[in-house]
Amino acid sequence: NAGVTQTPKFRILKIGQSMTLQCTQDMNHNYMYWYRQDPGMGLKLIYYSVGAGITDKGEVPNGYNVSRSTTEDFPLRLELAAPSQTSVYFCASTPGDRGSLEGNTIYFGEGSWLTVV
Amino acid sequence: AQKVTQAQTEISVVEKEDVTLDCVYETRDTTYYLFWYKQPPSGELVFLIRRNSFDEQNEISGRYSWNFQKSTSSFNFTITASQVVDSAVYFCALSEADSGGYQKVTFGTGTKLQVIP
Repeated sequence: NAGVTQTPKFRILKIGQSMTLQCTQDMNHNYMYWYRQDPGMGLKLIYYSVGAGITDKGEVPNGYNVSRSTTEDFPLRLELAAPSQTSVYFCASTPGDRGSLEGNTIYFGEGSWLTVV
Repeated sequence: AQKVTQAQTEISVVEKEDVTLDCVYETRDTTYYLFWYKQPPSGELVFLIRRNSFDEQNEISGRYSWNFQKSTSSFNFTITASQVVDSAVYFCALSEADSGGYQKVTFGTGTKLQVIP
């Protein structure tokens, strides 16, 4: 099983450029998340989705957009990149079954290292 | 409101020492789930253990053990006979339902463990 797959793994952007971080999962999970992790810091939730067609903001959504047209894919778009968006981005998913331990377990992608210069 | 506190920002131990990483959580739900993740220097997030709120049995897995105490809202993680490969950042996480009934995950800020040879 591939699990949660993120691309690209590394990217350097110039200020003002746009890009999309791709995330796909093959576990048929309902919930998907995007987190960012700044150097030496914890995880902050950017956006999340509880199913296809449904997205919602997390703690730090400014400067980002998401879409969830299918269960498998949850791309994160950066518009007008800024140095403050230099970070490691993690995509994650869970089954979303509130009643089970497995249903609440979070599976992470390997991370995408983004530098804005 | 959900909250996860990892009061220890950084810990250094000498190899073969035992070390306990603390995690204290706050929740109003009676049904919730707790997790520990390891983030080695390579950056990926590795799932270690999960627990639901109805299972207070402590767990041991090799050199790792977890102590879950609902009375003190703690889910502490102990590494016995630490090794250099244990050097990593460790995150505690809490999953419960938000006001809309959706799964909400909150991470602690992480504890950086350095094991000195």
